[in-house]
Amino acid sequence: DQQVKQNSPSLSVQEGRISILNCDYTNSMFDYFLWYKKYPAEGPTFLISISSIKDKNEDGRFTVFLNKSAKHLSLHIVPSQPGDSAVYFCAASGALNTGTASKLTFGTGTRLQVTL
Amino acid sequence: NAGVTQTPKFQVLKTGQSMTLQCAQDMNHNSMYWYRQDPGMGLRLIYYSASEGTTDKGEVPNGYNVSRLNKREFSLRLESAAPSQTSVYFCASGVRPSPFSNQPQHFGDGTRLSIL
Repeated sequence: DQQVKQNSPSLSVQEGRISILNCDYTNSMFDYFLWYKKYPAEGPTFLISISSIKDKNEDGRFTVFLNKSAKHLSLHIVPSQPGDSAVYFCAASGALNTGTASKLTFGTGTRLQVTL
Repeated sequence: NAGVTQTPKFQVLKTGQSMTLQCAQDMNHNSMYWYRQDPGMGLRLIYYSASEGTTDKGEVPNGYNVSRLNKREFSLRLESAAPSQTSVYFCASGVRPSPFSNQPQHFGDGTRLSIL
C-alpha cells in the first residue's frame, strides 16, 4: 500500500515558467514532509520541508504548500531553470513523539524536465 | 566536506555470495539509515539506527543485517545474495528528531548492486 503517492511520473516545463509537482498521502499520522531532488548517479539532496503545523514554507525559488484536509502537498519552482531538471521525491515521516519520526516514507518520484 | 560516503559504488555478485556495504558520515549525526531504490518505486527503508548501539528494522529488512560500528559508521550485510536484492542502496544520516523539531536526512551517492 503506497502511503505517499506521486501520480505524475514526469513533467515538462519551459524555462522561466512555474513547475508544480504534486504529492498525496494517505496516512493521517504523517507530521513532517520533505522534498528531495535527485540527479542520475547521485543520492537524493534535501530541497525543502514543511511541518504539519504550517501550510506554506518558502526558500528562494522553492515553495512547498501543505493541505492537511486534502492530504496533499505541492512543490512550486518559480522560475524554473534547466538545472532544475531532475527527479523529485516527496517524503513524509511521523509525529515527533512517536517512533516513526525518523522513518521516511517516499513517493515514487516525478521526473522534471525544464526545456529551453 | 564529504557528508555521507558509501563504498563500493558498484558491485556485481553471484547468487549466494555475501557482501557488506559500508557507510560513514562526518556530520556527527546520531541517526543513520539504509534504503533501497528499485525502478518505479521510491526509496524504501531497510534498517535504521537511531543512535550508536541501537538498530531497528524498517519496511523491507528480510535478507539483510546491519551493524552500527560506531557513531560514524553503519554497515549493511547481505549474507546470501539473491537476484531480488539487485538494487541501488542508499545510506543516510540525520539528527535524531527531538520532541520539538525534525530535520532532514542527508544521503550518500549510493551503491549499485547487481546479483546474477
